[in-house]
Amino acid sequence: AQSVAQPEDQVNVAEGNPLTVKCTYSVSGNPYLFWYVQYPNRGLQFLLKYITGDNLVKGSYGFEAEFNKSQTSFHLKKPSALVSDSALYFCAVRDLNKFYFGSGTKLNVKP
Amino acid sequence: KAGVTQTPRYLIKTRGQQVTLSCSPISGHRSVSWYQQTPGQGLQFLFEYFSETQRNKGNFPGRFSGRQFSNSRSEMNVSTLELGDSALYLCASSRRQGPLSTDTQYFGPGTRLTVL
Repeated sequence: AQSVAQPEDQVNVAEGNPLTVKCTYSVSGNPYLFWYVQYPNRGLQFLLKYITGDNLVKGSYGFEAEFNKSQTSFHLKKPSALVSDSALYFCAVRDLNKFYFGSGTKLNVKP
Repeated sequence: KAGVTQTPRYLIKTRGQQVTLSCSPISGHRSVSWYQQTPGQGLQFLFEYFSETQRNKGNFPGRFSGRQFSNSRSEMNVSTLELGDSALYLCASSRRQGPLSTDTQYFGPGTRLTVL
């Protein structure tokens, strides 16, 4: 069965420090993986996706994600966090006709 | 290019009423999906429409229905509202639909429905 897991409900980091938001997945075929960010009372904004090719994917606002097939993971990273990065982050996988979303991770970046 | 638009942005209804939400996809996008987002259940898939046909459906009761028009705009309807239907309803569009599609879904700002 297809699924996406975000093991951390919340991640706290200090501004300027690197951040990682974790995601693992389970799909029957090739994984098409996505990260989205949601600010309060807003819809989801697309950050980046992995379809094929380089395992390190670069996206919007300085975010990147590393695809690891052996660990079935697609962790979101940023070298230096900003207070404005504080938001809710969702990992998603597209399998055949459907998108499957993780439960979301709240990122708190403290000044 | 304009993004996905949803109207209205906020709605307050009472139990037993019905509601219709509207979604206009990005120009050229023919697939429209609907999601319900609540603090307790996260993002839950409602249904997907492509070329005016429902292609996928989530595990929601028949009170939740939708349709898509020839211009790809979509509406969803919830009848006999219950308190538990209070949520943010998100619409997302993508260009294509199908098992080989790798298209990104782009989301609208959502409609916040409150049922009293």
